[in-house]
Amino acid sequence: QQQVKQSPQSLIVQKGGIPIINCAYENTAFDYFPWYQQFPGKGPALLIAIRPDVSEKKEGRFTISFNKSAKQFSLHIMDSQPGDSATYFCAASRGGNTPLVFGKGTRLSVIA
Amino acid sequence: KAGVTQTPRYLIKTRGQQVTLSCSPISGHRSVSWYQQTPGQGLQFLFEYFSETQRNKGNFPGRFSGRQFSNSRSEMNVSTLELGDSALYLCASSLGPRTHEQYFGPGTRLTVT
Repeated sequence: QQQVKQSPQSLIVQKGGIPIINCAYENTAFDYFPWYQQFPGKGPALLIAIRPDVSEKKEGRFTISFNKSAKQFSLHIMDSQPGDSATYFCAASRGGNTPLVFGKGTRLSVIA
Repeated sequence: KAGVTQTPRYLIKTRGQQVTLSCSPISGHRSVSWYQQTPGQGLQFLFEYFSETQRNKGNFPGRFSGRQFSNSRSEMNVSTLELGDSALYLCASSLGPRTHEQYFGPGTRLTVT
């Protein structure tokens, strides 16, 4: 049973475009939703995270939108650059005492 | 501040052997979690340790085990290796069990032949 469903699996955008990656979760007890960025040969790096009490969070060019009623959240990358080409993972956890449950990942390619 | 370090970075083992992987968390972090990453299954939780005690365990067979030392460093062991154990094993550290933010190391790439 996949608790966090991520889409699309892969995404190609032009430089300057705004890729959007979506995640849907099932467990309403989840209260922490991070996004991780992973480059080949590296471990996932924490990018940005959101709690259910806010609908949007921005950090630099990265924005998380959160829809509690729909049980969905998404990552937007403004003014995308070739250096943003990586695999992005959404995740969820509850209570701070439970492990992260990850989506399957989205491979993003930003072409110049 | 140094990040999470994992050793070794690469490992090749033969089916049936056992392996031990090591993780040193970020200074001051006391919780360590281990994840297995494969192309097919993605990132899957193995176990979490805090204060030398296993707090959570994922759905993996008993061949997978771990421990944590008093300095928060952690090791995981896989016995009787199978071909399907080939994966990237990632360690993540956090301040403590009530802290959400987890920071990953570069991983150990294990290949079982």
